[in-house]
Amino acid sequence: AQSVTQPDIHITVSEGASLELRCNYSYGATPYLFWYVQSPGQGLQLLLKYFSGDTLVQGIKGFEAEFKRSQSSFNLRKPSVHWSDAAEYFCATTSGTYKYIFGTGTRLKVLA
Amino acid sequence: DTGVSQNPRHKITKRGQNVTFRCDPISEHNRLYWYRQTLGQGPEFLTYFQNEAQLEKSRLLSDRFSAERPKGSFSTLEIQRTEQGDSAMYLCASNPPTGDPYNEQFFGPGTRLTVL
Repeated sequence: AQSVTQPDIHITVSEGASLELRCNYSYGATPYLFWYVQSPGQGLQLLLKYFSGDTLVQGIKGFEAEFKRSQSSFNLRKPSVHWSDAAEYFCATTSGTYKYIFGTGTRLKVLA
Repeated sequence: DTGVSQNPRHKITKRGQNVTFRCDPISEHNRLYWYRQTLGQGPEFLTYFQNEAQLEKSRLLSDRFSAERPKGSFSTLEIQRTEQGDSAMYLCASNPPTGDPYNEQFFGPGTRLTVL
């Protein structure tokens, strides 16, 4: 069965520092992969998505993610974090059908 | 495009009461989804509609839960005889007819249910 693992429950970084959030997936074929962000009181907002093509995907708000089949990973990165990036981040997958499978999320705290 | 809307945003109820939530998808989105998100977890799929037809229900959706989409537009999710374990954020999402290989779903802000 498909699954997504986000090993880090909480991450704290200083403003201006670089960020990497980890995501590992379990799926036989090439999965559809997504990163969403959820701010308090807000719905889920799509940051970026991947299915095929270039393994480095650019998203909104300066985020990028790299698909690595050999490591079954789809880690999210940002070179310089802003205080407004503090939120919860979810990695998700789907087989291309309607059902999303989400990881448990990583809560990001940004220190001034 | 006003986005997916959900009402109410917050609901506090006593154990044993019935509650109903509403989701209005983005106009012309014929597919609609309900997810449940408990504290410290990612959203979990509950059910899926294509137009007015409910095509799948998760095993998480016990017989106390019922969802409808009578005219293929807005949807309601009702929980009967609420239990404390039903306390969660209930998220609704929608997307247009197939054409997008990613099947990107657009999420509403959610309804947070607290059962006392």
